Parts: sequence; C-alpha cells; structure tokens
Amino acid sequence: EADIYQTPRYLVIGTGKKITLECSQTMGHDKMYWYQQDPGMELHLIHYSYGVNSTEKGDLSSESTVSRIRTEHFPLTLESARPSHTSQYLCASSESGSEKLFFGSGTQLSVL
Amino acid sequence: SQKIEQNSEALNIQEGKTATLTCNYTNYSPAYLQWYRQDPGRGPVFLLLIRENEKEKRKERLKVTFDTTLKQSLFHITASQPADSATYLCAPGESSARQLTFGSGTQLTVLP
Repeated sequence: EADIYQTPRYLVIGTGKKITLECSQTMGHDKMYWYQQDPGMELHLIHYSYGVNSTEKGDLSSESTVSRIRTEHFPLTLESARPSHTSQYLCASSESGSEKLFFGSGTQLSVL
Repeated sequence: SQKIEQNSEALNIQEGKTATLTCNYTNYSPAYLQWYRQDPGRGPVFLLLIRENEKEKRKERLKVTFDTTLKQSLFHITASQPADSATYLCAPGESSARQLTFGSGTQLTVLP
C-alpha cells in the first residue's frame, strides 16, 4: 500500500479563488510529480521535483505553481482558479533509482 | 512526435477468459515499459515493469510481453474476474527521460 496522501479528495470552488492542493508522502522518496487527468483521457505531467528546492515544469503547460521545501511535501497552488482548471489532479512519488511510481488517490477539482 | 496507442475501444470479455490488451508506441526507444491499473476516480496502481532485454514477465494471473522490434507490448490477464474490471495504462520509459508518459488506457470490463 502506497503511503502518499492527497487532500482534499474533492474541491468545488468559485472562479478567482486561490487554492492549494496538498500532497504528502511518508516513504522518503526524492522524486515527486503532479499529473492532470481529464475523464477518459491520458495523464499529463504538469510539474515534477527531484528533491528539496528543485521543481520543473512538465510537458503540459499549467498556470499552477509548486514548491518543495520538505522532502515529504509537494503542494500545488492555483492563484486564481478558472473553470478551465476543472480536472483531476494526481500526485505521485518515486524512489531515486526506481522507475515505479506511487500515486495518491487524487483531488477532483471543480471550478464554477 | 512520440505517440502511445492502446486499444482504442473498450474491451468486454466473459469471466474466466483471457483478456489481451495492446500497447503500441512510436518514436520511443524505451528501456522499459510499465503497466498500471486505474479504477474510476482513483490514482493508477503499478502492476508490472518489463525491461527491453526481457521478452516476457509474469505475476500471478498477469503476463506482459515486450517486442522492441514491433514496438509493442501485450498485457494478458488469464482467468479474468469481474474484479479485474478497470482501466489499464501502459507507460514506455526511456532511460534518458526525466518523466514517465502514459497512454490513454484501455477500459476493460469482465462480465460475470
């Protein structure tokens, strides 16, 4: 069982609000990732981190930002939510030297 | 450009039969290929990884083949059960890549 947690599980919010999606893992993994997934579609990488104070943008352009101040924590922030941000956001982690990803249960975000 | 193609249609099979899912890729030189299972509203769960120098890998009722000449991986579930119903994602991994890219998945339904 993967020890990676995402909160909230569901979030419904109005346009223009600032939101932070939380992701924490207790496995001591160096690498962490944020993927975005629309229903029935593939996962798109939006951010990744290979360690503390290291963050990179993924293939899919996103208006969100991330931070990695602690190994176990990789929050994602949207400064001003819009309906186009409605999607499922999945956090994942992996151990250095391992290709296997552990995913959280995701946050389903709906922006009205 | 790089492309990952999985069975375009959803796959329905009868309980007890063998399900075979296909993953084709283009413009990739993967060192390995991973398969994940995703249930509705949840994050993907790792199932199997097969490396380029391996032809076949098994885990309980699961079997994966990897043909780098055909640029294809096949994923088999033998003696399928209704509990195997889910979406299955393939992800070819290049050793030089810093991130894992996923196919859009095949939705499998096992009918009782």
